[in-house]
Amino acid sequence: AQSVTQPDIHITVSEGASLELRCNYSYGATPYLFWYVQSPGQGLQLLLKYFSGDTLVQGIKGFEAEFKRSQSSFNLRKPSVHWSDAAEYFCAVGISGNTPLVFGKGTRLSVIA
Amino acid sequence: KAGVTQTPRYLIKTRGQQVTLSCSPISGHRSVSWYQQTPGQGLQFLFEYFSETQRNKGNFPGRFSGRQFSNSRSEMNVSTLELGDSALYLCASSLSGLKAGELFFGEGSRLTVL
Repeated sequence: AQSVTQPDIHITVSEGASLELRCNYSYGATPYLFWYVQSPGQGLQLLLKYFSGDTLVQGIKGFEAEFKRSQSSFNLRKPSVHWSDAAEYFCAVGISGNTPLVFGKGTRLSVIA
Repeated sequence: KAGVTQTPRYLIKTRGQQVTLSCSPISGHRSVSWYQQTPGQGLQFLFEYFSETQRNKGNFPGRFSGRQFSNSRSEMNVSTLELGDSALYLCASSLSGLKAGELFFGEGSRLTVL
């Protein structure tokens, strides 16, 4: 079965600094890959997704992610973090059209002035 | 376009009771999935319904059940509640499943079991 690892439980960055959140997956083939964000008291919102094609994908709110097959990774990046980006971020993996997503445990992002 | 609506948002129950949570998907979405979110386990898949049929089921005991109605609205039920059932229950809808694009999540129903 596929699995998702987000190695960082909590990350703190300064406002305006760059950000990279790590995600590694375990699956024999190329899965469908997603990043979701959850603000306190809210549901999850999709930031971006990768199905195939260009390995660098752009998402909402200035986020991007790069799929690296050789490293089984799908890291999320943002060049300049804003205080409103403070939230929990989840990487998710799917393996076919009708199987449920498997989520990582999440990375909580704190932003300091 | 209205988003995914979950009711109730908050509820408190005692051990042994049962609870029913409701989810109204985005208009036109036929797939509804349910996830349990806890600090220790993260997001765990409960089940998915598509056109009133359970299409996928996670690894939860039979106390957890669900159903979907002809208008795509879904309910999940937990019987004989245990303390460990305290969690945020998230519902997500999609047009026809994963390949159609993305899951749209509701804000969740936070269940506290005392």
